[in-house]
Amino acid sequence: GENVEQHPSTLSVQEGDSAVIKCTYSDSASNYFPWYKQELGKRPQLIIDIRSNVGEKKDQRIAVTLNKTAKHFSLHITETQPEDSAVYFCAASGTGANNLFFGTGTRLTVIP
Amino acid sequence: GAVVSQHPSWVICKSGTSVKIECRSLDFQATTMFWYRQFPKQSLMLMATSNEGSKATYEQGVEKDKFLINHASLTLSTLTVTSAHPEDSSFYICSARDSWDTEAFFGQGTRLTVV
Repeated sequence: GENVEQHPSTLSVQEGDSAVIKCTYSDSASNYFPWYKQELGKRPQLIIDIRSNVGEKKDQRIAVTLNKTAKHFSLHITETQPEDSAVYFCAASGTGANNLFFGTGTRLTVIP
Repeated sequence: GAVVSQHPSWVICKSGTSVKIECRSLDFQATTMFWYRQFPKQSLMLMATSNEGSKATYEQGVEKDKFLINHASLTLSTLTVTSAHPEDSSFYICSARDSWDTEAFFGQGTRLTVV
């Protein structure tokens, strides 16, 4: 099945700085790439997603970029705040394949 | 967003017994449901994918006879851990979606402890 790799595994940034998390995937048929945020003790929740027909999507301080040729996509968080501290997961799935495969997660810590 | 409810949120069972975990989509039809296992500070490991009315597709290394998955309706999937052992202790979490390119909504998870 799909293999999703995510880097870095941990990331610490000063409040107000930007954070970037990168993922690569193996299955060129994958067309849907969501990002989830999991706060301690809570369920993962979708923060942004992108489909293969676009290269970039932005929602306030969060943006995702997708390079289908290189098979990688990235999450960008600008003007980070302490409440952004959580574990972030990327994922990938494709047409006809209902599976949703997750990356290994990035623990983001925003230092006040 | 849509709601996925998972029960129980925690369970303690004796070694050798079976435990059933339920995952319900409350306000949408879940064509596909996923079951994951999550170890502390680790990622979500996909165990199996189930489509309503058909047999679940298990990931490599997951014992289908040990982790029984049933997806009898568009709103309910169950995971039964049979003959549980201490090494099965983990956090199990389900998610559901209605299409391949839509958001998957997660249940709150079940912490299983086998003693």
